[in-house]
Amino acid sequence: DAGVIQSPRHEVTEMGQEVTLRCKPISGHNSLFWYRQTMMRGLELLIYFNNNVPIDDSGMPEDRFSAKMPNASFSTLKIQPSEPRDSAVYFCASSSRLGGRNTEAFFGQGTRLTVV
Amino acid sequence: AQKITQTQPGMFVQEKEAVTLDCTYDTSDPSYGLFWYKQPSSGEMIFLIYQGSYDQQNATEGRYSLNFQKARKSANLVISASQLGDSAMYFCAMREGPGNQFYFGTGTSLTVIP
Repeated sequence: DAGVIQSPRHEVTEMGQEVTLRCKPISGHNSLFWYRQTMMRGLELLIYFNNNVPIDDSGMPEDRFSAKMPNASFSTLKIQPSEPRDSAVYFCASSSRLGGRNTEAFFGQGTRLTVV
Repeated sequence: AQKITQTQPGMFVQEKEAVTLDCTYDTSDPSYGLFWYKQPSSGEMIFLIYQGSYDQQNATEGRYSLNFQKARKSANLVISASQLGDSAMYFCAMREGPGNQFYFGTGTSLTVIP
């Protein structure tokens, strides 16, 4: 398996523009997580899905952020409109259950977002 | 209350020496998993080691071992024979039961000195 695939790897956009980050989880994984990492705030959970259903989106900063998982193999995180304070590395991770235990979260390479 | 606490923002270790990175956790769920990740300067998150709450033995993976003290709710990572390539950020994480989120600590920055 190719692992968790995120696109784009880097995104530079102007304030006010819409940004869409994409994630393809590992096939067969039923949990998907979106994280944001900054120097100031560390690694923050934004939202996670189980079996394509959003379970907890309390970490989504505000209404400008939205996430979808239309099927088991694809998820998006959208920021509209983007602001400079949204600049961060955004990680997608997926996980499953194996032999009665949760596997580790497998992380994608991340998307480095810069909003100017 | 913090679910995962890492109290060492930065650590230094001499090459070839062992180092312990501290992690304490907070949960009332009897079923949970504990994880350690390494994040080098290149940015990727690399899984290192896992410990289940019902596991009797401490987990080991090569030079990594997890010192699991359930009563104290601690899950310290021990790296033996440190190498320059071990210089990175290290995160402790916990997942309670199936279908729940991963809680991450704030991380410890480890620098290996030649």
